[in-house]
Amino acid sequence: DAMVIQNPRYQVTQFGKPVTLSCSQTLNHNVMYWYQQKSSQAPKLLFHYYDKDFNNEADTPDNFQSRRPNTSFCFLDIRSPGLGDAAMYLCATSRVGGLGSPLHFGNGTRLTVT
Amino acid sequence: DQQVKQNSPSLSVQEGRISILNCDYTNSMFDYFLWYKKYPAEGPTFLISISSIKDKNEDGRFTVFLNKSAKHLSLHIVPSQPGDSAVYFCAASETSGTYKYIFGTGTRLKVLA
Repeated sequence: DAMVIQNPRYQVTQFGKPVTLSCSQTLNHNVMYWYQQKSSQAPKLLFHYYDKDFNNEADTPDNFQSRRPNTSFCFLDIRSPGLGDAAMYLCATSRVGGLGSPLHFGNGTRLTVT
Repeated sequence: DQQVKQNSPSLSVQEGRISILNCDYTNSMFDYFLWYKKYPAEGPTFLISISSIKDKNEDGRFTVFLNKSAKHLSLHIVPSQPGDSAVYFCAASETSGTYKYIFGTGTRLKVLA
């Protein structure tokens, strides 16, 4: 089945220790997104790639970076995690065109910062 | 500035009855709207969408209504089942714009057996 896969499902890192979350897709969608979701809050868009074009949200901290080496993979790098970065990180994809296309989400990575 | 709002954090409904979840938006450029369902420890799952050229879209037990003048949409679930208990998010996007999807804060639906 075509899908969006996030690894790992759970990640524990220490305060200030760099961490990388990964996402892969078999849908061949041209847009990939990273969302951050904290408890009882709306998923918050951090950035997205349209093909290789990177689009950063204005309020995404510089601490967060992303890489998309090819169509199938996208990475979220947190250079110096703080306690406030503990959250669920959701990767999603969409196919641009027509009257709209839904986002397809992975199961997320829950990040704990100790 | 919350462009998509779900003002009811929770809703309880008896099994077999109708569940109505509401969503309001402020950006008149939004032209595509979606509903997602989320279980704990899983990613959101797409349920149903509607384009701004329509005012209703139906898929089985799920119907979404769009009122563009009021900038309001709603999701109706009939009949509600215990397996529908989850958090429901509405989302909106501009299909000719930046391909961004903006989410509401969610409504936790509990269907009582």
